[in-house]
Amino acid sequence: DGGITQSPKYLFRKEGQNVTLSCEQNLNHDAMYWYRQDPGQGLRLIYYSQIVNDFQKGDIAEGYSVSREKKESFPLTVTSAQKNPTAFYLCASSIYVGGGGPLRLTDTQYFGPGTRLTVL
Amino acid sequence: GNSVTQMEGPVTLSEEAFLTINCTYTATGYPSLFWYVQYPGEGLQLLLKATKADDKGSNKGFEATYRKETTSFHLEKGSVQVSDSAVYFCALRNTDKLIFGTGTRLQVFP
Repeated sequence: DGGITQSPKYLFRKEGQNVTLSCEQNLNHDAMYWYRQDPGQGLRLIYYSQIVNDFQKGDIAEGYSVSREKKESFPLTVTSAQKNPTAFYLCASSIYVGGGGPLRLTDTQYFGPGTRLTVL
Repeated sequence: GNSVTQMEGPVTLSEEAFLTINCTYTATGYPSLFWYVQYPGEGLQLLLKATKADDKGSNKGFEATYRKETTSFHLEKGSVQVSDSAVYFCALRNTDKLIFGTGTRLQVFP
């Protein structure tokens, strides 16, 4: 079955430790995204990647880092610099449909099941 | 800039009641509009979408019409079920970024 997988579903870390969240997709999608969700709030974009070996900061990139070495994988590292890391993290992907630069268009975003990170 | 405003929840209904969740947007250009649903502890699932004015998206008994004149994309369902209890997110897309509303929690009781 094609889809997006995130692991683990629940993750606990001590304050001051870096932690990496996994996101894998076998949909052959070009673009991948990381969002953060806090209680009672909408999703906020952390980072996104339109193609392999390229990524851009979203609205709340501080304290996070990503890599895109393979089309199917887009891991997110939550560093110790992130002041409030406890949250629900969602990965998404979409297919490229045309355009370029700021007018680059992608199709509908599909989401993984999420990872709930708790920093103790 | 681009933004999405949803009615605050929770919305509490009895089974078989009519549902409306309001969504209005502000955007430059001609965005695509989406409704996503999130069940407890899960990721978001696409519920329906519309890509141009007057388009109607529909799925699983839910409908929403893209109204450019009122910049709205209200979600409706004629008869809700207990299994529809979830959080519903309205979103717009300009180029390749999604802008989400804050979500509306729906609780349906038997």
